[in-house]
Amino acid sequence: TQLLEQSPQFLSIQEGENLTVYCNSSSVFSSLQWYRQEPGEGPVLLVTVVTGGEVKKLKRLTFQFGDARKDSSLHITAAQPGDTGLYLCAAKMNRDDKIIFGKGTRLHILP
Amino acid sequence: DVKVTQSSRYLVKRTGEKVFLECVQDMDHENMFWYRQDPGLGLRLIYFSYDVKMKEKGDIPEGYSVSREKKERFSLILESASTNQTSMYLCASTPRTYEQYFGPGTRLTVT
Repeated sequence: TQLLEQSPQFLSIQEGENLTVYCNSSSVFSSLQWYRQEPGEGPVLLVTVVTGGEVKKLKRLTFQFGDARKDSSLHITAAQPGDTGLYLCAAKMNRDDKIIFGKGTRLHILP
Repeated sequence: DVKVTQSSRYLVKRTGEKVFLECVQDMDHENMFWYRQDPGLGLRLIYFSYDVKMKEKGDIPEGYSVSREKKERFSLILESASTNQTSMYLCASTPRTYEQYFGPGTRLTVT
């Protein structure tokens, strides 16, 4: 059972466009992280969200945690080729200390 | 900055060989993890450790073992490598059970 669903799986857009990717579940999380992974490298932590409704900004990236702490979104404004990569969400379940990962959204920004 | 290093970036081994993958972190983190990453399957947890000499099975421990003799070092062992263990192996460490810091990965090919 895939507890964290990420959508879309793949996204290819032109430089300068805006985009939103999603991370959804039917479970409640105590925290959720977003990572970016470039080809041949390990994932790099972008942000952690903890509070329902929380919004965090990292330059052109805006992260939102759902009010019920079951979902999250990542919005990129004016995408640049350097944003290309695999975006992973990960969450800590309330019931134990295990971390689960979504399968990721592979983003390609065309120059 | 947290630094997690892995012993090899690329490794080619023959079926039946014993394979050691080493991971070292320099931030005195208690928790360390080994994942494998395969296209379409995402990140899957093999083993994790919350303390020296302590280990817990993840979701796919079969065919693997681990060793944690020192806090900074977590080793993954493939007792008898098989072709279905060809994968990208990622080590991570964390001071808590979330916000994982990943190494650059080892791409293992078993022929």
